[in-house]
Amino acid sequence: NAGVTQTPKFQVLKTGQSMTLQCAQDMNHEYMSWYRQDPGMGLRLIHYSVGAGITDQGEVPNGYNVSRSTTEDFPLRLLSAAPSQTSVYFCASSYSARNTEAFFGQGTRLTVV
Amino acid sequence: GQQVMQIPQYQHVQEGEDFTTYCNSSTTLSNIQWYKQRPGGHPVFLIQLVKSGEVKKQKRLTFQFGEAKKNSSLHITATQTTDVGTYFCAVVAGNSGYALNFGKGTSLLVTP
Repeated sequence: NAGVTQTPKFQVLKTGQSMTLQCAQDMNHEYMSWYRQDPGMGLRLIHYSVGAGITDQGEVPNGYNVSRSTTEDFPLRLLSAAPSQTSVYFCASSYSARNTEAFFGQGTRLTVV
Repeated sequence: GQQVMQIPQYQHVQEGEDFTTYCNSSTTLSNIQWYKQRPGGHPVFLIQLVKSGEVKKQKRLTFQFGEAKKNSSLHITATQTTDVGTYFCAVVAGNSGYALNFGKGTSLLVTP
């Protein structure tokens, strides 16, 4: 099994550009989430989903959109990139939303100039 | 969401010394998870604690959940260079019941 796959691994954007970070899992997991990681800030939750068609906001949702049309995929969209969105982004999935370990993708390192 | 404070932020030890990181919450937790992230890597699940006063061991790692379920610790005995990384605790956000919130992590550096 591939687990959680994120693409791309690295990306440089200009301010104002849009892009989609892709996340796919092949473990039939119900719960998926997106985090950003900045130095000294730990992992901060952006958006999460408890199943296809259901999404909700986390701690830092502004500037990001998500959708969950299938169980496998959970893309994260940046509509108009800002330098403050320079970060490492991790997608995670787990079998259910409660009491189960989260599996993380390899991360996407995004730089906005 | 439910927040946890993690200390210390950094720890530098000589190989063979012990290491402990702590997570503290102002509210009672349903459970707590611990993750390790190697430099340049992604977080990897270590363990989950659910019961009051629970103690679990994984080789040189000992995990404890406080009696009041408001704090937890991870202790590493006789650190090795392979222990280098950042250790995070994570708890389910109280409002949603689903979202997993992470502490800011403790970065461990081990010098030989």
